Amino acid sequence: NAGVTQTPKFQVLKTGQSMTLQCAQDMNHNSMYWYRQDPGMGLRLIYYSASEGTTDKGEVPNGYNVSRLNKREFSLRLESAAPSQTSVYFCASSPQGGTGELFFGEGSRLTVL
Amino acid sequence: DQQVKQNSPSLSVQEGRISILNCDYTNSMFDYFLWYKKYPAEGPTFLISISSIKDKNEDGRFTVFLNKSAKHLSLHIVPSQPGDSAVYFCAASASVNDMRFGAGTRLTVKP
Repeated sequence: NAGVTQTPKFQVLKTGQSMTLQCAQDMNHNSMYWYRQDPGMGLRLIYYSASEGTTDKGEVPNGYNVSRLNKREFSLRLESAAPSQTSVYFCASSPQGGTGELFFGEGSRLTVL
Repeated sequence: DQQVKQNSPSLSVQEGRISILNCDYTNSMFDYFLWYKKYPAEGPTFLISISSIKDKNEDGRFTVFLNKSAKHLSLHIVPSQPGDSAVYFCAASASVNDMRFGAGTRLTVKP
């Protein structure tokens, strides 16, 4: 039972490089999310997708783009990475959206030099 | 601005004793509160939740208390076990797709 799968688990980038974090869930959930976790800040919502075909900005969307490819997959793209984007990124899904329980992936640790 | 605050970065308790983790919030529109548990190198996992219409919710060794007038919630773990050692995140939401998290409290349960 895979749940929420994120790739890659680790990535090191140079400033200005681009990359895409991939996320897939096999629980048939409608809503999917991307969070970042920074020391002393907790988890902050970057973007979310309430359903296939829709995406919306969260608390900290600047510097990121997302694509909800289908019901299963939700990707996060950094077009021009900056050191401030060094963080641990978590993808999550939810059958309800918002007030309900979130199911998280294992996280992707990104370092931007 | 952090709307959900966990002011204790860490907590250490003895096995078998009670662990009390605290959380404060500032947004009076929050109506649903959750606790997540996170082990190293894993994603957070849901632990327990409470709606704003209740003041207590219990699930086995875990109880969450909500004090709306004080904008405060707490998680009680009784009895604490070494396997409970993890980072605990408090979360709150006011609307669909807007869940806010605290910075987390690292709980260490000593044998």
